[in-house]
Amino acid sequence: SAVISQKPSRDICQRGTSLTIQCQVDSQVTMMFWYRQQPGQSLTLIATANQGSEATYESGFVIDKFPISRPNLTFSTLTVSNMSPEDSSIYLCSVDWTRNEQFFGPGTRLTVL
Amino acid sequence: GENVEQHPSTLSVQEGDSAVIKCTYSDSASNYFPWYKQELGKGPQLIIDIRSNVGEKKDQRIAVTLNKTAKHFSLHITETQPEDSAVYFCAVVTGGFKTIFGAGTRLFVKA
Repeated sequence: SAVISQKPSRDICQRGTSLTIQCQVDSQVTMMFWYRQQPGQSLTLIATANQGSEATYESGFVIDKFPISRPNLTFSTLTVSNMSPEDSSIYLCSVDWTRNEQFFGPGTRLTVL
Repeated sequence: GENVEQHPSTLSVQEGDSAVIKCTYSDSASNYFPWYKQELGKGPQLIIDIRSNVGEKKDQRIAVTLNKTAKHFSLHITETQPEDSAVYFCAVVTGGFKTIFGAGTRLFVKA
């Protein structure tokens, strides 16, 4: 399995600012994913990030709001831009390890005031 | 698109009893069905999975059954322990390799 770390683990931000979340994997992986989990809710896929190509965003999520970078096979970042209180959530990265098995990072808990 | 329904939303059992969580899905092309356990303050952890060519899989106290005809699959936890208390998510991977998660079941195991 893969070991995944995220930074920061939590943050409290002011509305209108941006936060970049980092995701580091201990092995090279092709597919990485970013999810949002609102309090007490299930996981919603934001985008799929493959190295060397633009991220693919799900309906309701746009690149201007959630720009993603994938510079190599072990690292990705998600930026939450121009934040509002509605962006308060847990943001999770995951990797497709083998045959659709996904492993998740510990999450970043974001509170926007 | 694929739709995944998970029941119950909350489940409370006595330590030592069994717990069963059920999920239904809509896309017959779906072929991979993982279960995740999420403890407070942590990311989801893959605990067991089953693929469409298998009807049942067991790993110690946990098992998953799949009925492709009826499009439902279930998680069974036997001899529950307080450390099994968590939120459990079923998921379905469609033919397009997208993972759709159920709404989650909050399991409480009372000592």
